[in-house]
Amino acid sequence: DTGVSQDPRHKITKRGQNVTFRCDPISEHNRLYWYRQTLGQGPEFLTYFQNEAQLEKSRLLSDRFSAERPKGSFSTLEIQRTEQGDSAMYLCASSLILHEQYFGPGTRLTVT
Amino acid sequence: DQQVKQNSPSLSVQEGRISILNCDYTNSMFDYFLWYKKYPAEGPTFLISISSIKDKNEDGRFTVFLNKSAKHLSLHIVPSQPGDSAVYFCAARLDDKIIFGKGTRLHILP
Repeated sequence: DTGVSQDPRHKITKRGQNVTFRCDPISEHNRLYWYRQTLGQGPEFLTYFQNEAQLEKSRLLSDRFSAERPKGSFSTLEIQRTEQGDSAMYLCASSLILHEQYFGPGTRLTVT
Repeated sequence: DQQVKQNSPSLSVQEGRISILNCDYTNSMFDYFLWYKKYPAEGPTFLISISSIKDKNEDGRFTVFLNKSAKHLSLHIVPSQPGDSAVYFCAARLDDKIIFGKGTRLHILP
């Protein structure tokens, strides 16, 4: 399977704990995106990498959120001191052509 | 402020008939429009796109129409099949970002 993969698929954590998610993009894709999706909404842009450079961050990405793509391949999204409002599906996408993004299956985060 | 609006949360269509999903947008700077399809427990899957300089793009059973003066686009699926039952997201590109609508759930009835 050469699609975008995300790990873990599900994460349940207690409020205040830190969590980290991983995304492995399609190997030849240089762009990698993180989105958040809550119930009844479409995916909302969080941040974007071109190779290892983080080029844009949404206002949704508070100081508790940090994303990295150290070697221009996989990426991690860390949320520190999780809050109940962080409960959502976190989606990763990669692309070679800017407007054709391929999504992974997502990581569903539940903060209790 | 929703820049991409899908005003129908759900739509039911008989198998074999045409499904028409609608989308409105507010930002005239969008340069590409896209449709994604999403099944439960999966990420969205890219379906079809259209450049803002075109008014129609067709790919098999899927056709997207763009009316720039009305800031409106639509996705036509014909004939509709049971496997088309899913949530469809309209999206638009602005700079390096893609902005999604809230989605329309399509039910194909037997």
